Amino acid sequence: EVQLVQSGAEVKKPGESLKISCKASGYSFTNYWIGWVRQMPGKGLEWMGIIYPGDSDVRYSPSFQGQVTISADKSISTAYLQWSSLRAPDSGMYYCARQDLGGSGGMDVWGKGTAVTVSS
Amino acid sequence: SYELTQPPSVSVSPGQTARITCSGDALPKQYVYWYQQKPGQAPVLVIYKDSERPSGIPERFSGSTSGTTVTLTISGVQAEDEADYYCQSADSSATYRVFGGGTKLTAL
Repeated sequence: EVQLVQSGAEVKKPGESLKISCKASGYSFTNYWIGWVRQMPGKGLEWMGIIYPGDSDVRYSPSFQGQVTISADKSISTAYLQWSSLRAPDSGMYYCARQDLGGSGGMDVWGKGTAVTVSS
Repeated sequence: SYELTQPPSVSVSPGQTARITCSGDALPKQYVYWYQQKPGQAPVLVIYKDSERPSGIPERFSGSTSGTTVTLTISGVQAEDEADYYCQSADSSATYRVFGGGTKLTAL
């Protein structure tokens, strides 16, 4: 079964760093892009960026460039989203999804999401 | 940065046809993808490449394009189709993707 398993909910203080993960299984991790999507409470989906684990090519949305870092470790089929200094507006649900650019082009497999709360 | 525009809400009676639009300047050149999201759940891809349906998605879901506007059509809306629907596409140079603001579909 193709699936993406995300790390658990996080509660952090402003200024702290954070790295959340997305572990893939059931398919060749290095042959598909992995994307990250933010959903703030009660709001819509926001595409943050994608990474191709095969060569670590990363593309960011202009809205998130410089705000987060997307990476991957192909040896353990895991993608990451990290912040160096969290702010309260970073609170939200973060989804990883497989972006099948070589096939359908869409985000065809999704993780269940990681809830991030940033509060003093 | 590039934006896609959707109506905030669409309401139809069960059994009727719902049409959800998505507008963007680059849509004549870039494919559109549609996602369904129910409360507390991750999104699900329901249409890819403007009008293709992934396996497992009911035939009542279809997509079409006309210039800078694309449309998701749900024929014979059922109560289980109540959800938020998001379009997604790329900017004109295919550098990054964006989502529309989302449309809440209500089956009255």
